[in-house]
Amino acid sequence: DQQVKQNSPSLSVQEGRISILNCDYTNSMFDYFLWYKKYPAEGPTFLISISSIKDKNEDGRFTVFLNKSAKHLSLHIVPSQPGDSAVYFCAASASSSGSARQLTFGSGTQLTVLP
Amino acid sequence: NAGVTQTPKFRVLKTGQSMTLLCAQDMNHEYMYWYRQDPGMGLRLIHYSVGEGTTAKGEVPDGYNVSRLKKQNFLLGLESAAPSQTSVYFCASSYGGQPQHFGDGTRLSIL
Repeated sequence: DQQVKQNSPSLSVQEGRISILNCDYTNSMFDYFLWYKKYPAEGPTFLISISSIKDKNEDGRFTVFLNKSAKHLSLHIVPSQPGDSAVYFCAASASSSGSARQLTFGSGTQLTVLP
Repeated sequence: NAGVTQTPKFRVLKTGQSMTLLCAQDMNHEYMYWYRQDPGMGLRLIHYSVGEGTTAKGEVPDGYNVSRLKKQNFLLGLESAAPSQTSVYFCASSYGGQPQHFGDGTRLSIL
C-alpha cells in the first residue's frame, strides 16, 4: 500500500509558466515533507521541505503548500525554466520513526519545461 | 568536497554471487541510509545507521546486510544475489535526520 502517491507520472509546461506538482499521503503520522529533484544518472537533490505546523514554505522560485486535512501537498515552480526539467520526488517522514526520520517516497513526476 | 560517493557505479553479477557496495561521506554526518529504486517506484529504504557501529532495518531489508565500522563509511552487502535485486542503489547521509544528501547511485544487474 503506497503511503505517498504522486499520481501524475509526467507533466509538461511552457518556459516561464507555473509548474504545479502534486502529492498525496495516507499516513496521518507523517509530520515532515520534502521535495527532491533528480536528474538522469545522478542522485536525488534536496529542494525544499515543510513541517506539518506550517501550510506554506517558500524558497526563491519554489513554494510548497501543505493541506493537512486533505493529506495533500503541492510544489509550485514559478517561473519554470528548462533547467527545471527533472524527476521530482515527494517524500514524507514521521517523528514517531525515531531520530533517523525514515523517508517514504512517492514514485516521482517527470517535469519537462519546454523552451 | 565530494559529499556522498558510491562505488562501484555499475556492476553485473550472476545469480548466487556476492558483492559489497561502498558508500563514503565526507560531511561528518551521523546518519547514513541505503535505498533501492525500481522502475515506476520511489526509493525504498533497505537499511540505515544512526551512528558508527549501529545499523537498523528499513522497509525492504531481506537479502541484504550492512555494516558501519567507520563513521564515514556504510557498506551494503549482498550475500547471494538474486535477479529480484536488480536495481539502482542509492546511499544517503544526513546530520540530525534531514535533509538527506544522496550519492549518484550504483546500477546493479543480476543475471
